Amino acid sequence: DAGVTQSPTHLIKTRGQQVTLRCSPISGHKSVSWYQQVLGQGPQFIFQYYEKEERGRGNFPDRFSARQFPNYSSELNVNALLLGDSALYLCASSWTGQGLADTQYFGPGTRLTVL
Amino acid sequence: AQKITQTQPGMFVQEKEAVTLDCTYDTSDQSYGLFWYKQPSSGEMIFLIYQGSYDEQNATEGRYSLNFQKARKSANLVISASQLGDSAMYFCAMRERTTDSWGKLQFGAGTQVVVTP
Repeated sequence: DAGVTQSPTHLIKTRGQQVTLRCSPISGHKSVSWYQQVLGQGPQFIFQYYEKEERGRGNFPDRFSARQFPNYSSELNVNALLLGDSALYLCASSWTGQGLADTQYFGPGTRLTVL
Repeated sequence: AQKITQTQPGMFVQEKEAVTLDCTYDTSDQSYGLFWYKQPSSGEMIFLIYQGSYDEQNATEGRYSLNFQKARKSANLVISASQLGDSAMYFCAMRERTTDSWGKLQFGAGTQVVVTP
């Protein structure tokens, strides 16, 4: 079975631009979470979506938004890019999106560079 | 406040030896889950092992085992018989019962492991 897929793999943007990152979860998984991983740090939670509804948001500005589609794929949008948005953006999917033991499986990430 | 602390930024281990990666956590919840992930240089986070706070037995998955000491709030990962392919960054993560989002894992800063022949 295919794992979590993300596109694009790499992206270079300039300050002020907007970017859209895409994620397809593992087949059957209904929850998608997004994380930002700055170089040298652990991932930071941005959003969780479950059944097309936002179920959680981390400490990120309103420039960050996301949505989930009926097929459970998801998009992360970042507006007005800043240099500090340069990071690896990871998408993770899980079966139910609920419960302590609900394991998240990650995609390969999108590496965003803002110049 | 830091919820997950990984004090070893980097470690070298010889092939076929065991290695222990430290993880301490901070929570006032009685129910929580602890995860370990491996991140090779390619970037993908690979799930290794899970331990629930009420699990009586330490979790094991193949060459991976978790040394869970609840009173000390530590959840150390033990990798037995290290292989060259184990060279990667390793992250400890926690999900709390009182989380505002089930989708939220809180990660430590990671430990870089290099396995040498």
